[in-house]
Order: sequence, then C-alpha cells, then structure tokens
Amino acid sequence: GENVEQHPSTLSVQEGDSAVIKCTYSDSASNYFPWYKQELGKRPQLIIDIRSNVGEKKDQRIAVTLNKTAKHFSLHITETQPEDSAVYFCAASPRYGGSQGNLIFGKGTKLSVKP
Amino acid sequence: DSGVTQTPKHLITATGQRVTLRCSPRSGDLSVYWYQQSLDQGLQFLIQYYNGEERAKGNILERFSAQQFPDLHSELNLSSLELGDSALYFCASSGDRQGNYGYTFGSGTRLTVV
Repeated sequence: GENVEQHPSTLSVQEGDSAVIKCTYSDSASNYFPWYKQELGKRPQLIIDIRSNVGEKKDQRIAVTLNKTAKHFSLHITETQPEDSAVYFCAASPRYGGSQGNLIFGKGTKLSVKP
Repeated sequence: DSGVTQTPKHLITATGQRVTLRCSPRSGDLSVYWYQQSLDQGLQFLIQYYNGEERAKGNILERFSAQQFPDLHSELNLSSLELGDSALYFCASSGDRQGNYGYTFGSGTRLTVV
C-alpha cells in the first residue's frame, strides 16, 4: 500500500526566512496531495492541496510543488511569521483506498518560527 | 467552525472504564474517519465508515469499536481503558468515498485516563 515519508521532523527558522517541508510517496497512482496545519491542541486544517495533473500551486505565501516522476511533493512557506509555527502534515490519496483509509499521512513536521 | 462536531470536548475517566465519543460529520458528507493522536505524535488512523458501513480499518485495538448510524453520525466506543489510551481523538469527514477532496476535521475529544 501507499507509504508517505515526511522530512524534516522539526524545522526552526528565523522570522522572514523561507521554510521547506518535503514528502515522498510510494504509490505512483496517488492523485491527490493535501497539506494540513495543526496548531497546538487544535484540529488539523487543510491549507493547500494539489492534484496529480498540476505541478505547482500557490496561495499567497504558501506554495506546493509536485514531481510525479520522482514521487515527491513539497510545501514552501515564504516570509515566515511566528503564527506559522505549528505542525504540518502532508498526505497522499492512493487511487484505491487501503487499510489506512483514503488519506495516508506523513508523520508531521514541527515548524518553529523565531521572532 | 469546521462543520464537523465532536462531543464531548474533554473527558476524564478512570482506568477500566468505558466511554463513548460522538461525531457528527459535515452536512452532506458520507465518510467518517477516526484518528488517535497521542502527545507529540502523528495521526494514527483507527477506522473509516462510509454511508453506514465500515470501509477501512487501521490499527484499532479490540477494546475499541465504532459505528455509523443512519443519520450518518458516528460513535467511537473505548472500553477497559488504560492510561495509554489518553490522547486526542479526532473525527474527520469527507464527501466522497475516496477522500479525493480532503478531510475536514472536528475539534477533537481530549481523553484523559487516570
């Protein structure tokens, strides 16, 4: 079945710098890749997603890129702010849902933005 | 408000007890997913229901069970509770069977077993 690896597990940046989080997936038939942000003690919230027919998508300071050949996708946050501090989860949706449901999550990246 | 409602928000109970967590999915969503999140851990998939039927099962303990009712709300039952069951339990819903439009998560139930 699908397996999603996420790196790094922790990331610390200075306010204003960029942050990049990378994920790889194993099922070449996966076709949907969302990213979730989870602030401490709160629910994960969808911040951006990309489908397999698109290589890049931007939403203000956030962008996601997808390389289908290499089976990896990345989250880019520019001009980071303290409120970007949170845990970020990537996920992949295999064509056929398996034993983990329809979204396979990475283990998360804890981003800390220092003022 | 995400549209996914979980109750209760907090629950404190003793070891050996049984509790029921409730989830109402977003209006129109047919799929419900349950996740367990322990301190500083990732999202551990427990189980998925689609339109009343179990569709996928993760590493859910035998002491745990769930169901989805005709009105599409779901309940997660945890029995013979142990200290290690203390965690945040999230419910999520999606409109389709495949989750190809992402999940919407509820605010979670924080379970503390003492």
